[in-house]
Amino acid sequence: QVQLQQSGPGLVKPSQTLSLTCAISGDSVSSNSRTWSWIRQSPSRGLEWLGRTYYRSKWYSDYAASVKSRITITPDTSKNQFSLQLNSVTPEDTAVYFCVRGNYNMDVWGQGTTVTVSS
Amino acid sequence: QSALTQPPSVSGSPGQSVTISCTGTSSDFGNYNRVSWYQQPPGTAPKLMIYEVTNRPSGVPDRFSGSKSGNTASLTISGLQAEDEANYYCSSYTSNTHIVFGGGTKLTVL
Repeated sequence: QVQLQQSGPGLVKPSQTLSLTCAISGDSVSSNSRTWSWIRQSPSRGLEWLGRTYYRSKWYSDYAASVKSRITITPDTSKNQFSLQLNSVTPEDTAVYFCVRGNYNMDVWGQGTTVTVSS
Repeated sequence: QSALTQPPSVSGSPGQSVTISCTGTSSDFGNYNRVSWYQQPPGTAPKLMIYEVTNRPSGVPDRFSGSKSGNTASLTISGLQAEDEANYYCSSYTSNTHIVFGGGTKLTVL
């Protein structure tokens, strides 16, 4: 059974960097047939796709236009996990963040991390 | 503002059928049949119910079915049960390779 376990702080100060990690069990971040994504959900923005990383003979990442200048999603093959970094956060980035297996068919979700941006 | 438009709420009595619509543009749906539906009870992570318009993952009851016509996708739940009460979201793979979601529909089982 595939499981995704998220970790990271629930409170981030404005202008700082939001960092979350998603540990994978039962599958491989390096799989040639899987995609690993980050999604967030807030009352004001609903569900929002942030970006993804995947391996197809080499590593690829791509991001939503709304956060492209501030976001990095990176795999860590030694720990079988992937991470989200979102720079220069504002209160608008307050949301529940989910890591997900899949892209257009997201079949495994992490438990969600509530991140509040506040001083 | 969500790219895909869903009704804010629908309701039905146990045993009845309900349909939730999801409307986008040709660039949202394109020529791809990559529409998915997710069920989210309050306080939980979304769960994949339908993928690629009509397919059900293992374990999802056949009471759940999906379809698409033009720029509107639909999720139909037949034989409504109390446990079906949740928020439902559609999503689509868009022409610029990204994912867009609908604003969500709250299903109330009367």
